[in-house]
Amino acid sequence: RKEVEQDPGPFNVPEGATVAFNCTYSNSASQSFFWYRQDCRKEPKLLMSVYSSGNEDGRFTAQLNRASQYISLLIRDSKLSDSATYLCVVNKGGGSYIPTFGRGTSLIVHP
Amino acid sequence: EAQVTQNPRYLITVTGKKLTVTCSQNMNHEYMSWYRQDPGLGLRQIYYSMNVEVTDKGDVPEGYKVSRKEKRNFPLILESPSPNQTSLYFCASSPSVGITYNEQFFGPGTRLTVL
Repeated sequence: RKEVEQDPGPFNVPEGATVAFNCTYSNSASQSFFWYRQDCRKEPKLLMSVYSSGNEDGRFTAQLNRASQYISLLIRDSKLSDSATYLCVVNKGGGSYIPTFGRGTSLIVHP
Repeated sequence: EAQVTQNPRYLITVTGKKLTVTCSQNMNHEYMSWYRQDPGLGLRQIYYSMNVEVTDKGDVPEGYKVSRKEKRNFPLILESPSPNQTSLYFCASSPSVGITYNEQFFGPGTRLTVL
């Protein structure tokens, strides 16, 4: 099992739709979780952190399920500008805080 | 402006010709890292540095070298580039990854082609 796994997509949704991505991780000792956004051929940028209690920022909600070892990202009321690749980041755990990136999930929002 | 800079942004070279990609950050960050990104494989860590004079291998270090003589600079060296090192390279920095993982700030990327 890969350390961090994501469905590559693409998720193709109309404007205004709600879309959700999951990301599974293999190391139960992992303690830090994040979602990054990457636009085509640009550098990744932090979208939001994922806390045990969940995290909401406007239209974006991130949640952590430790029992099943996955994190999720929910985007409500999708905008054209949300089209991007969303990268899941998990630290290696076991005393290491070195981050491991998932391969990303591609989102395309169309008119 | 707080930023991570990389040079060059684009480079086409030939097999075996040594090259260096520079990376510099002006945020006084302790942690710096190099990644390569290839289609279908995502971001893979090449080397990282927890602080000056402290470097360690990431997941794909073969064929690369790094050094961290100053806090702000973390150059990536390809002593004898090969075509399989054709990729998009990102440098990143972070305040630290000691107690907890902090946000990483990425440079704009260097697109390298090795013929």
